[in-house]
Amino acid sequence: RKEVEQDPGPFNVPEGATVAFNCTYSNSASQSFFWYRQDCRKEPKLLMSVYSSGNEDGRFTAQLNRASQYISLLIRDSKLSDSATYLCVVVTYGNNRLAFGKGNQVVVIP
Amino acid sequence: ETGVTQTPRHLVMGMTNKKSLKCEQHLGHNAMYWYKQSAKKPLELMFVYNFKEQTENNSVPSRFSPECPNSSHLFLHLHTLQPEDSALYLCASSHSGGKTYEQYFGPGTRLTVT
Repeated sequence: RKEVEQDPGPFNVPEGATVAFNCTYSNSASQSFFWYRQDCRKEPKLLMSVYSSGNEDGRFTAQLNRASQYISLLIRDSKLSDSATYLCVVVTYGNNRLAFGKGNQVVVIP
Repeated sequence: ETGVTQTPRHLVMGMTNKKSLKCEQHLGHNAMYWYKQSAKKPLELMFVYNFKEQTENNSVPSRFSPECPNSSHLFLHLHTLQPEDSALYLCASSHSGGKTYEQYFGPGTRLTVT
């Protein structure tokens, strides 16, 4: 089983709609979780951390479900500028390295 | 210059060539990384340097040879590459210790091996 799994999509979303997607991780010892964003032909950039209690940053909401070993990202009121690939990142303390998923590609349609 | 810069941005090389990729960070970080990003695959960590010392080599073939002369500069020396090595090579930097997850990436070098 892959360390971090994501459905690559694409997720085609009408402008103004809500889109949500999950990422599953295989190592139950994983301790920190993040979402990075990668625009087409650009480098990845940290979008937000994912806290155990869930957290929100504007139109973006991240959640963690440790029992089922997945994290989620929800985007409300989608903008055209939200079109990007969202990379799920998991860190397991001890090796202290970032494990990336393949990414969820989001395409916001006018 | 700000952030993390990489040169060249594009590189085409034959299998018998030797070339080097360069990365420079202007963020005062102490950790630097090389990643490989191939189509349809997740980012693969290749090498990690902390305070100029290599702390991780993720089973990378010896045809890739990293060099970190100081905390601000990182090189990836390439020789006798294979076509399957064609990919986007990304450099990243971060603080060491507890904030290694917040990595800042350079724009990458898109490498094509012919």
